Amino acid sequence: SQTIHQWPATLVQPVGSPLSLECTVEGTSNPNLYWYRQAAGRGLQLLFYSVGIGQISSEVPQNLSASRPQDRQFILSSKKLLLSDSGFYLCAWSQQGTEQFFGPGTRLTVL
Amino acid sequence: GQQLNQSPQSMFIQEGEDVSMNCTSSSIFNTWLWYKQDPGEGPVLLIALYKAGELTSNGRLTAQFGITRKDSFLNISASIPSDVGIYFCAGQQRKETSGSRLTFGEGTQLTVNP
Repeated sequence: SQTIHQWPATLVQPVGSPLSLECTVEGTSNPNLYWYRQAAGRGLQLLFYSVGIGQISSEVPQNLSASRPQDRQFILSSKKLLLSDSGFYLCAWSQQGTEQFFGPGTRLTVL
Repeated sequence: GQQLNQSPQSMFIQEGEDVSMNCTSSSIFNTWLWYKQDPGEGPVLLIALYKAGELTSNGRLTAQFGITRKDSFLNISASIPSDVGIYFCAGQQRKETSGSRLTFGEGTQLTVNP
């Protein structure tokens, strides 16, 4: 069966510090991968999606970036965090044309 | 851009009552999905609908894909305290180059009083 992991589960970072969030999927190959941000427990905002290694599409201009160094690994990064980057970050996977399945999420607080 | 209007935004009900929520869109979708999110966790898929008019059940949950392909509803019968959470609808248009992106509703916060 397929599983999706995210780490860390929670993170507190100062403004201006770098960020790296990791997502990995097990039990499937060549998945589509997605990064979402959720503010205040409502509304999922799609940040990035990837249909293959090295292929990243950005949905919203921001100071975040994403990379896919391996087939089942998706990384969300920032060089300098802003206060507005606080939120709940969710990674999801799907096979082409099917439902998306979400990871457990990372709670990021920028102080 | 595509938008999903989900209503109601919140519901406060007594245990044992039935619940209904819905989503509407100005766009046509090929798939409708319903998710539930518990506090501090990722959304979990409840029901997936693939055909216009389709009615699907999962235990006490029933969802329908609107005949116009622009709406869907979710019903929960005989609510229990563990039904508490945020329910999201999502529409999907299958595009070979877009990785099957989802458009999400804003969610319905359900509170069940014992």
